[in-house]
Amino acid sequence: DVKVTQSSRYLVKRTGEKVFLECVQDMDHENMFWYRQDPGLGLRLIYFSYDVKMKEKGDIPEGYSVSREKKERFSLILESASTNQTSMYLCASSPPGADSSYNEQFFGPGTRLTVL
Amino acid sequence: KQEVTQIPAALSVPEGENLVLNCSFTDSAIYNLQWFRQDPGKGLTSLLLIQSSQREQTSGRLNASLDKSSGRSTLYIAASQPGDSATYLCAYKAAGNKLTFGGGTRVLVKP
Repeated sequence: DVKVTQSSRYLVKRTGEKVFLECVQDMDHENMFWYRQDPGLGLRLIYFSYDVKMKEKGDIPEGYSVSREKKERFSLILESASTNQTSMYLCASSPPGADSSYNEQFFGPGTRLTVL
Repeated sequence: KQEVTQIPAALSVPEGENLVLNCSFTDSAIYNLQWFRQDPGKGLTSLLLIQSSQREQTSGRLNASLDKSSGRSTLYIAASQPGDSATYLCAYKAAGNKLTFGGGTRVLVKP
């Protein structure tokens, strides 16, 4: 079974802090994703990566950056956390094939981040 | 802007009744459609993936259908149980790697 793990289930940070959210997958997947989920807005894609050191902006990249130094690990970085970044953050991975109908996304358990 | 709509937003049924969850989408060039389950405060669990060339997929009590021409997918859950209470999300994949999600249907199965 695919396993996607996230470093923390709950995190509380202060405004202005630099925040790192870590995601690790154990299925050798090329693609990894970061989403945030908010009531009434659903899931929105922040960034994704299709290979080591490669990244693409999603729908809402402002205020975030990412790092993919190893294939299994994808980090989301909040350079200077703000209260409007309080949210549930979900990481996902999938096998390669941008134009494939086979690749299924598998999600981690989520990190509930609160910025005070 | 491509959209995904899930109706109803919430559903409450007595145990044993069959569940019918609807998902409609505007993008006709989808590659696949995925149904997920999400328990409160948790991540998403993939239930079924239907490729664009398929009409349906089945797993146990779950059956999902796909009609690309009308932009609809339906998830059927037979003989519902209280453990089926959760939010169900559909999402489609078009060209590229991105999934586009619906807002979800929150299901409560009453014992």
